Amino acid sequence: ETGVTQTPRHLVMGMTNKKSLKCEQHLGHNAMYWYKQSAKKPLELMFVYNFKEQTENNSVPSRFSPECPNSSHLFLHLHTLQPEDSALYLCASSQEWSSRYNEQFFGPGTRLTVL
Amino acid sequence: AQSVTQLDSHVSVSEGTPVLLRCNYSSSYSPSLFWYVQHPNKGLQLLLKYTSAATLVKGINGFEAEFKRSDTSFHLAKPSAHMSDAAEYFCAVGSGGYQKVTFGTGTKLQVIP
Repeated sequence: ETGVTQTPRHLVMGMTNKKSLKCEQHLGHNAMYWYKQSAKKPLELMFVYNFKEQTENNSVPSRFSPECPNSSHLFLHLHTLQPEDSALYLCASSQEWSSRYNEQFFGPGTRLTVL
Repeated sequence: AQSVTQLDSHVSVSEGTPVLLRCNYSSSYSPSLFWYVQHPNKGLQLLLKYTSAATLVKGINGFEAEFKRSDTSFHLAKPSAHMSDAAEYFCAVGSGGYQKVTFGTGTKLQVIP
């Protein structure tokens, strides 16, 4: 596998379920990101991890819980979600967080539907 | 603070004609600017980036963009549209001492045969 992979690609869950999204990057990068992409809205940065440490949490509700066990893996744990949380969740990575020149490499996303 | 405005939510062109997708930015610092493309059911892919070197930036698939500080623009252009260019395009700005990137709302490009 190359680049950034995400699993599952599609997820349907009820409001009382607990599920996790997984992201893996094979690029040797040190920074990883979670974004939420909703229709008609700009891409929303949720979390940033740099060298496994969380450096950004953009006021995301606690029903979203990120985990970064190492620089290659990033998880987003989901529990008691709301229908408005239905969106495409994108994972990205970059060489490091601190350089403004580093482009981000994106995974294909997980399409989440909350019933 | 930084922001990006993509002036058109939809652009429609005929195959073989020029493409122009507009982007204006606001930034307190010297910005980095990016254009990404997203095809259906795919993640975003970098087309090109400006990082304070040449103001005319060439990217993949024949796209280019010109950084104009005077009117705070970074418009994306291609001389001849191809059917495979149909996708959504995102302009993004990064500034300050760290890579916090702000994305625009996207422009959907339709290419008519």
